[in-house]
Amino acid sequence: QVQLQESGPGLVKPSQTLSLTCSVSGGSISRGNYYWSWIRQPAGKGLEWIGRISARGSTDYNPSLKSRVTIAVDTSKNQFSLKLTSVIAADTAVYYCVRDGQGDYYDSWGQGTLVTVSS
Amino acid sequence: QSVLTQPPSVSGAPGQRVTISCTGSSSNIGAHYDVQWYQQLPGIAPKLLIFDDNNRPSGVPDRFSGSRSGTSASLAISGLQADDEADYYCQSYDSSLSARVFGGGTKLTVL
Repeated sequence: QVQLQESGPGLVKPSQTLSLTCSVSGGSISRGNYYWSWIRQPAGKGLEWIGRISARGSTDYNPSLKSRVTIAVDTSKNQFSLKLTSVIAADTAVYYCVRDGQGDYYDSWGQGTLVTVSS
Repeated sequence: QSVLTQPPSVSGAPGQRVTISCTGSSSNIGAHYDVQWYQQLPGIAPKLLIFDDNNRPSGVPDRFSGSRSGTSASLAISGLQADDEADYYCQSYDSSLSARVFGGGTKLTVL
């Protein structure tokens, strides 16, 4: 069974860039017609889809974040990553990396990592 | 404000049946995009409960079922158990936003 694990700084200063990596184990990121997504959840609030990438590098982004988001994949390391630029306090959230199943649903989740935007 | 609207909370006694609604519009559920449901226990990542409107992943009990009608979808939980107490989210795709969208979440309390 595939497992996902987020890593990256837990504290980012306002106006700087948030960078996270998701390591995938238990299966190749290139196998199957999956997309690999990032989803975030501010404390006490609901879920927000950030964007996704295929193993071939095809991306889709949430239009509300598109100008600030880059998602990349490194198949040699079985990882994918998230960069969010010009962060503000409202970007403080738990960030999840997720496997996007073949029917546009999220069937495997990382444990999540809290990123706080604060000076 | 979420594109998909869910009641903030529902409750039920052990053994009872509860339903959670998810109301959308003509650009998401009404456009026949699939609806998914996720269960989030306190402090942990969400778990896929229902996909493609009414399908359960392996390991999810048949006490959980999904349905849809028009611009809405519903999650039904029968034989309520104490460990069903969690937040539940619906999810679909919205063509006007070109984005995957979630409901605001519903907190289920088992009395």
